[in-house]
Amino acid sequence: AQSVTQLDSQVPVFEEAPVELRCNYSSSVSVYLFWYVQYPNQGLQLLLKYLSGSTLVKGINGFEAEFNKSQTSFHLRKPSVHISDTAEYFCAVTPGFQKLVFGTGTRLLVSP
Amino acid sequence: SQTIHQWPATLVQPVGSPLSLECTVEGTSNPNLYWYRQAAGRGLQLLFYSVGIGQISSEVPQNLSASRPQDRQFILSSKKLLLSDSGFYLCAWTTGLAGRTDTQYFGPGTRLTVL
Repeated sequence: AQSVTQLDSQVPVFEEAPVELRCNYSSSVSVYLFWYVQYPNQGLQLLLKYLSGSTLVKGINGFEAEFNKSQTSFHLRKPSVHISDTAEYFCAVTPGFQKLVFGTGTRLLVSP
Repeated sequence: SQTIHQWPATLVQPVGSPLSLECTVEGTSNPNLYWYRQAAGRGLQLLFYSVGIGQISSEVPQNLSASRPQDRQFILSSKKLLLSDSGFYLCAWTTGLAGRTDTQYFGPGTRLTVL
């Protein structure tokens, strides 16, 4: 079975500062990895995904993530955040059978 | 392009009342469909998924049920709501092509409050 751990429930950061949201996963098989963003009272929107190939994945809104197989991590980064990035971010994994397993989410709070 | 709809957007129901939430997808055929529940601080929990009409798989035991009467329609129901059923319910779809891992696309959600 797969599991996902998002180590930080909340990450406060100032506008234009860099940010890293951490995600670690556990699986006995190869997995595919996703990051989703959820704005208040809305559904989830895909930020980026890793299926294969380059371990550095670029997504929308200037976000990127790096897949590290040895550390079983898929941390999300952005070099300079905006107020509009305030949202909840979810990491998810799947072994390829279209059943995603989500982490508990990290709330990113960007202040001026 | 594909779109996914959920209704109602918000719902307040008394304990013991029935529930029916609807999800429809436009612009695609034979999608895989999913119901998730999001409770505060607990991430998303997969409740049901369906790979075709009348085919429902349940992930967790509960007093909820799901049905898929049409290819692009997915319904979440309950005969008697519990307080613990409160949460944000999300429907999602993928293309349903066997062997592929496609992105799950989510609807706008339904906020259910059981009082």
